Amino acid sequence: KNQVEQSPQSLIILEGKNCTLQCNYTVSPFSNLRWYKQDTGRGPVSLTIMTFSENTKSNGRYTATLDADTKQSSLHITASQLSDSASYICVPGGYQKVTFGTGTKLQVIP
Amino acid sequence: KAGVTQTPRYLIKTRGQQVTLSCSPISGHRSVSWYQQTPGQGLQFLFEYFSETQRNKGNFPGRFSGRQFSNSRSEMNVSTLELGDSALYLCASSSDRDPGANVLTFGAGSRLTVL
Repeated sequence: KNQVEQSPQSLIILEGKNCTLQCNYTVSPFSNLRWYKQDTGRGPVSLTIMTFSENTKSNGRYTATLDADTKQSSLHITASQLSDSASYICVPGGYQKVTFGTGTKLQVIP
Repeated sequence: KAGVTQTPRYLIKTRGQQVTLSCSPISGHRSVSWYQQTPGQGLQFLFEYFSETQRNKGNFPGRFSGRQFSNSRSEMNVSTLELGDSALYLCASSSDRDPGANVLTFGAGSRLTVL
């Protein structure tokens, strides 16, 4: 059974600080992994997508890493801003199938 | 380039009623998938349509159904509503025939409340 575990479930950090979100997955078949950002009450928005052969991908202050051997990914946010407050969802995918994690809820406070 | 449009954004229904939600994908996208999101459950896959054909289906009861039209617009229907159907329903479109390989673009969602 495909499973995605994200940690922590929730996180509160001060504005300007860095943080790292974790994702462990057991998904087959596996070809890529995406991170989405979802603001409250809105649809998810893609941040990064990595194929199984990529180790890292950046999008501004967001940097995702992938270790396909250990089936782990992380999302690092640098110099957090209030607008980073959202849920971050890890989505490993394969042929005609994606599996969504339950997300990490991040709150950035002044 | 217009994004994925979902209507209505909010709706309130009572138990036993039925509801129809609409999704217009990005122009040129032929794959449309639907998801249910409830607090603490994450996104649960409902079904996916490609070129008017249902290609994949999640583990939801038959009360949940959908269809796709020739212009790629899609609708989903929930009959005999239950309190547990209260959720954010998200639609996503993709340009590739394989949504597992391409980036999904989500709409803003339809927030359904069942009283």
